[in-house]
This record gives sequence, C-alpha cells and structure tokens, in this order.
Amino acid sequence: QVQLQQSGAELVKPGTSVKLSCKASGYTFTSNHMNWIKQTTGQGLEWIGIINPGSGGTSYNVKFKGKATLTVDKSSSTAFMQLSSLTPEDSAVYYCARDVSEDEYYFDYWGQGVMVTVSS
Amino acid sequence: DIQMTQSPASLSASLGETVTIECLASEDIYSNLAWYQQKPGKSPQLLIYYANSLNDGVPSRFSGSGSGTQYSLKINSLQSEDVSIYFCQQNYDSPPTFGGGTKLELK
Repeated sequence: QVQLQQSGAELVKPGTSVKLSCKASGYTFTSNHMNWIKQTTGQGLEWIGIINPGSGGTSYNVKFKGKATLTVDKSSSTAFMQLSSLTPEDSAVYYCARDVSEDEYYFDYWGQGVMVTVSS
Repeated sequence: DIQMTQSPASLSASLGETVTIECLASEDIYSNLAWYQQKPGKSPQLLIYYANSLNDGVPSRFSGSGSGTQYSLKINSLQSEDVSIYFCQQNYDSPPTFGGGTKLELK
C-alpha cells in the first residue's frame, strides 16, 4: 500500500536551515508528483510547492520562493524539502502529499507530518 | 490567489443527523474542488475531488455538490468516526488554496 514516511520532529534555531525527508513506498515514485504543504493553527493549510520526481522539475507558491527548496533522490524514492533562514513564523507541521497524478493538485496520500519548531 | 471561505467554522450535530458544510470561492473554480477530512492528530485524507467524485474507500454517506463559486459537502447519517475537521481546496488555479476548515463535533 502507498505510504509516505516523513522524518522526525525538529527543534531548530532562528536563522538556520532544516531539511525534511519523505520516503515513498508502495507505488512507482516517478509516476506521481509530490507536494509539500504547511499547516499552522493560525494560517491553516498552505501549499508550498510541487516536484516532479522523474525530472526534478519544481513549481513553488510565490510566498515560499526563497524559503523552500524541493529535491528528490530517485534511488531511494525520497523527496526532500529544505527550509532556510528559519524564523518563528516557520514553526508548523509540514506534510508531503502525493499528487493523484501529474500536476492535478489533488492530494491522495499524505505523510504523517513533521513538526518544526523554530526557537532560540 | 483564490480565497476559499468555509462555513460554519464549527458545527455540533447528533448521531444519525445529516450535516452540510459550505465552501465559497472568491471566483469561479469550475468544479475544481476537493474535500478533505482531518481526524484529531492525523493527516488530512482526500474524501471528494472534482466537487462530487468520491475517493476510493470513502463511505457513500459523504457526498459533494456545487458549481461556480459555491460548493457543499453533505454527510448523511452522522457517525461517531466522522468527528473531524473538514477542509475544502481548489485546484483550478495555482497556488492551490484551502478553506479555513470546519470543526465537526458530536452533540
């Protein structure tokens, strides 16, 4: 069955970077694009961006350009998101979510989420 | 960005009742709308896409309808396991955007 296994919770200091991972299993990794989504109590759910695991091509929400960088490692069926220049406003739960196909922007499988806390 | 407004923000209903959650888009999204269910402490799960198509494995008591800017999610015969937060999401235009959520509780 399709599973997206995300890395563990992170406590990081302001101004630093963090790299989150999302290991996919149960399907052909390159057949579906992968999205990343931020969830906070105040702002709700926000789409960060999408990556094509086959080509590495990406598309970002303008709001997160310069903040998030999406990459993949096809050999391990793992998607990554690096968040840079972290501030307390980046504290959130981050999900990877599989696109139902290519750029449909419907999300049929989600990782368990990873909580990132930015604090000194 | 297209703004998605859900109502009500919270809802209390009894077992067996029928509930309806509304979602209003800031412009016509041509039925490019999904509904997600997020149970406490869990990730969201896709319930409905293209406004009225039920995702695999979703109980038939869930249904979606609407067009243009107005959409709704209906839950027939409410069950205890339906206690969740429900989100709508448009995928007509990038970036995809979500509603603020409707928290459904049992009365």
